[in-house]
Amino acid sequence: SQQGEEDPQALSIQEGENATMNCSYKTSINNLQWYRQNSGRGLVHLILIRSNEREKHSGRLRVTLDTSKKSSSLLITASRAADTASYFCATVDNYGQNFVFGPGTRLSVLP
Amino acid sequence: EAQVTQNPRYLITVTGKKLTVTCSQNMNHEYMSWYRQDPGLGLRQIYYSMNVEVTDKGDVPEGYKVSRKEKRNFPLILESPSPNQTSLYFCASSWDRGRDTGTEAFFGQGTRLTVV
Repeated sequence: SQQGEEDPQALSIQEGENATMNCSYKTSINNLQWYRQNSGRGLVHLILIRSNEREKHSGRLRVTLDTSKKSSSLLITASRAADTASYFCATVDNYGQNFVFGPGTRLSVLP
Repeated sequence: EAQVTQNPRYLITVTGKKLTVTCSQNMNHEYMSWYRQDPGLGLRQIYYSMNVEVTDKGDVPEGYKVSRKEKRNFPLILESPSPNQTSLYFCASSWDRGRDTGTEAFFGQGTRLTVV
């Protein structure tokens, strides 16, 4: 019953470049959230975008949401080596009960 | 400091030996859940709880039990662990299921379980 699917599965860029990750989902949502996970550690909330919003910014993060295409993107500008992590999108599932996470995008930022 | 605390962080056990992974949150959250994370499969929900004495199955509940006797605690119980339950486990909490108010989930640091 996976709701979110991130794309690409893995991304490798140079420090200073921008990183874009995409998330697609299947059903109507109330909001979509992005999380970050450093290797083997707990997930940390990055940003939330509601279904009536199209774009949101937080520092170097920019999230867009296209409910007609059931997709979202996370852009990290001017990436740093410390941004190396896995990034997950999360939506609430069909029954409105749970956070449902996609498989994630592994981002590697090379110095 | 707002946090979700899981214990233990690492555990190696033998097949069939009952174990409990504890989870506690200090944010007075109503909603708590357990996930397992396996390579290539992302996070899959095991069980969740919307409040005290209210629990329900997630996507992969087989072989697990939970209880929610107090708001702050949500232990995960493996009555008879098997090697296919070797995984990285996370507990998470939030105000609610995230649908109406869109609150974020707070995660514990994880428990790496190996069943031999």
